[in-house]
Amino acid sequence: DIQLTQSPSTLSASVGDRVTITCRANQSISHWLAWYQQKRGKAPKLLIYLTSSLESGVPSRFSGGLSGTEFTLTISSLQPDDFATYYCHHYGSSSTFGQGTKVDI
Amino acid sequence: QAQLVQSGAEVKRPGASVKISCKAFHYTFTSYGISWVRQAPGQRPEWLGWISAYKGNTKYAQKFQDRVTMTKDTSTNTAYMELRSLRSDDTALYYCARSAQYSDSFDVWGQGTMVTVSS
Repeated sequence: DIQLTQSPSTLSASVGDRVTITCRANQSISHWLAWYQQKRGKAPKLLIYLTSSLESGVPSRFSGGLSGTEFTLTISSLQPDDFATYYCHHYGSSSTFGQGTKVDI
Repeated sequence: QAQLVQSGAEVKRPGASVKISCKAFHYTFTSYGISWVRQAPGQRPEWLGWISAYKGNTKYAQKFQDRVTMTKDTSTNTAYMELRSLRSDDTALYYCARSAQYSDSFDVWGQGTMVTVSS
């Protein structure tokens, strides 16, 4: 089974910071990876799909990438609305989520 | 703007079944599929399966294969998910989400339906 491990589990940051969250798979998943933002009591919101494609309407400060075997979600300049939990998601032959990264102040 | 609206919260006894609905608005229902995802409190999301809103073919996660049935009604643009033989660890928020294929990301989500399993 494909497993995704995110790091860090919690990230403390300030408005204006550049933050990067990583997601590592235990086997090759090609580019079949998405990132979601979830706020308390709300459904996840798609930010990035196919590793680096920005979902329509999502601010350009969000970007996705792949460095070696690690997928990354980068927020170039953290805004107050960005404090939330972020999940990576592999889709393809199976569908699995990372354990989440909480970004707080 | 595409929207998915789910049915209300449910409380069930262990061993019972639950059936949740997911009604689609403002897009062509049959052009996409619907995935079902659940999330227990404080846990990561977990995918249960997918149904094509066009052909009705399904793909279920192996873990739920024996207990879940997904259906759709194109006359009302509604998808359904039934989970049987409920246990206390099925207590979770259940979401429907739009995805073109089972092997696709989820671009539109419902608001979630809380299912509580308790004796």
